[in-house]
Amino acid sequence: DTAVSQTPKYLVTQMGNDKSIKCEQNLGHDTMYWYKQDSKKFLKIMFSYNNKELIINETVPNRFSPKSPDKAHLNLHINSLELGDSAVYFCASSGRAGRWETQYFGPGTRLLVL
Amino acid sequence: GDSVTQMEGPVTLSEEAFLTINCTYTATGYPSLFWYVQYPGEGLQLLLKATKADDKGSNKGFEATYRKETTSFHLEKGSVQVSDSAVYFCALRPTGNQFYFGTGTSLTVIP
Repeated sequence: DTAVSQTPKYLVTQMGNDKSIKCEQNLGHDTMYWYKQDSKKFLKIMFSYNNKELIINETVPNRFSPKSPDKAHLNLHINSLELGDSAVYFCASSGRAGRWETQYFGPGTRLLVL
Repeated sequence: GDSVTQMEGPVTLSEEAFLTINCTYTATGYPSLFWYVQYPGEGLQLLLKATKADDKGSNKGFEATYRKETTSFHLEKGSVQVSDSAVYFCALRPTGNQFYFGTGTSLTVIP
């Protein structure tokens, strides 16, 4: 029973293409996140949704568009892929019980843009 | 604003050595503090947490104490194993939904 799952695990594509990454959590959490991890392991928050509403929208190119069809799913669509988009993208979720709630991460999607 | 400053790596230790990874934070109010671990090829997973001053989080032989007076949450382990080789992230959660992560510290333990 995977708590936070992402598909695909690997994604290799050409520059200029459009691609999507999907995330699902079965923990009943209200809040979901997208992070980008670069080759130096630095983790950068991109977006967060709470109950399908966008609550965190960091400085990210508008080629990146998140969509949350329901609170268990958060997808990331990327238009016109660039070489610099190559990274590992992590989805995460957390509950709303309070600040002591931790985040649960998915296994990551390794994106390589050629 | 809220932030976490974490000891730079990489760190290389021999098996059974003592480990300390420093973490200090800046935050208003009373945040919760976390250590996450990322094994090669995997996502981050919670290692331990502390939710108020003087709390000690512990798991798998790792410990960290929430020190409000020094705004620190250093990670320690008395005797590391090869299987502890991973990247370690310090994080804080103030009120609200945002988490703030440190830059990560890569640990390699050699036999």
